[in-house]
Amino acid sequence: GENVEQHPSTLSVQEGDSAVIKCTYSDSASNYFPWYKQELGKGPQLIIDIRSNVGEKKDQRIAVTLNKTAKHFSLHITETQPEDSAVYFCAAGDGNKLVFGAGTILRVKS
Amino acid sequence: NAGVTQTPKFQVLKTGQSMTLQCAQDMNHNSMYWYRQDPGMGLRLIYYSASEGTTDKGEVPNGYNVSRLNKREFSLRLESAAPSQTSVYFCASSAGHRWTGELFFGEGSRLTVL
Repeated sequence: GENVEQHPSTLSVQEGDSAVIKCTYSDSASNYFPWYKQELGKGPQLIIDIRSNVGEKKDQRIAVTLNKTAKHFSLHITETQPEDSAVYFCAAGDGNKLVFGAGTILRVKS
Repeated sequence: NAGVTQTPKFQVLKTGQSMTLQCAQDMNHNSMYWYRQDPGMGLRLIYYSASEGTTDKGEVPNGYNVSRLNKREFSLRLESAAPSQTSVYFCASSAGHRWTGELFFGEGSRLTVL
C-alpha cells in the first residue's frame, strides 16, 4: 500500500524566512497531493493541492512542487509570518485512498 | 457556517466502557470520514461512508463501529474502550468520494481511556 514519509518533523524559522517541507510517497498510482494546515485545537484545513499533471502550483506565499519521477513533493512557504506557525500534513492519494504523512510542526519566531 | 460539528470535545473513559462520538455536517456532502490522530503518526482513517447507506473500513477499523444515520450524521462507536484507543478523533466530510477533493474537518474529540 501507499506509504508517505514527511520531513522534517519540526522546523523553526525566523519571521520573513522561507520554510520547506518535503514528502515522499511509494505508490506510483498516486495522482493527488494535498497539504493541510492544523492550528492548535483545530481540525486540519486544506491550504493547497496539486494533481499529477501539474509540476508546480502557487497561491500567494505558498507553493507546492511535484516530481513524479522521484515520487516526492514539497511545500514552500515564503516570507513566513507568526500565523504560519502550525502543524502541516502532506498526503498522497488516488481514486481509492488517501494516506497522510506524520506531520511537521512549523514554528515561526518573531 | 457550522461546517462539521463533533461531540463531545473531551471524554475520559475507563477500560471496557463504551461510548459514541457524534458528527454532523451541514454542507450537504455525500461522504463522511472518521480519522484518529496520534503523535508522530499523522491522520489514520478508521471508517468512511462514501454515501448515505454505505460504510467501509479504513486503515485502522479494529475496535470501532460506525453508523451513517442519514446524509448529515455519521457516528463512531467504541464498544469496549482500550487504552490504545486514547487519541484525538476527527470527523470529516467531502462533496464527492474519490479521495481527490477537499476534506472538511471538525475540531476534534479528545478521548482518554484509563
